[in-house]
Amino acid sequence: AQTVTQSQPEMSVQEAETVTLSCTYDTSESDYYLFWYKQPPSRQMILVIRQEAYKQQNATENRFSVNFQKAAKSFSLKISDSQLGDAAMYFCASHAGGTSYGKLTFGQGTILTVHP
Amino acid sequence: DARVTQTPRHKVTEMGQEVTMRCQPILGHNTVFWYRQTMMQGLELLAYFRNRAPLDDSGMPKDRFSAEMPDATLATLKIQPSEPRDSAVYFCASGTWTPFFGQGTRLTVV
Repeated sequence: AQTVTQSQPEMSVQEAETVTLSCTYDTSESDYYLFWYKQPPSRQMILVIRQEAYKQQNATENRFSVNFQKAAKSFSLKISDSQLGDAAMYFCASHAGGTSYGKLTFGQGTILTVHP
Repeated sequence: DARVTQTPRHKVTEMGQEVTMRCQPILGHNTVFWYRQTMMQGLELLAYFRNRAPLDDSGMPKDRFSAEMPDATLATLKIQPSEPRDSAVYFCASGTWTPFFGQGTRLTVV
């Protein structure tokens, strides 16, 4: 079984600044995938970034990047040059490979507020 | 623009009524998921299909919920009879290695 923990219920950042959201996970699988999803007030679940556990290089998507520490089972999300549109709930999630691929386990979420 | 499409977006119904939610997955995705989101429980997996075959519905209350995938372009989630505790946002997602989510159906049972 997999578990995902987000220890920060809420975070805030000033527009144009950088913020890091934390996530830790636990799994007994060697093949697994990690994700960050964004859920704005519209409630749409939007994929932000994904990381395959077998890849050592940290994933990057424009202003979003991750710090994947496999030994520590840590998967934090860094948002650079924060924008007002980044305000949302952010969920960290994971799934194992093999027959369980796609079955996501979610963290509790972190509400991000962006101040102008 | 490929996307998962869910209907309806909102549903208000009376306790005891049947509710049917529909999902059109992204063309070519062989795995379809149903998730439920509530304030108390967060996001929970209800059921999922691979190549239209049900693989796991252990998260679903069996006595009132049913999920089907009559063809590759349609997945359905039915609740009969509905109860107030079923009020939640129901998400459909499709994908292979990466699940992509629809916009959700907000269900309110009064």
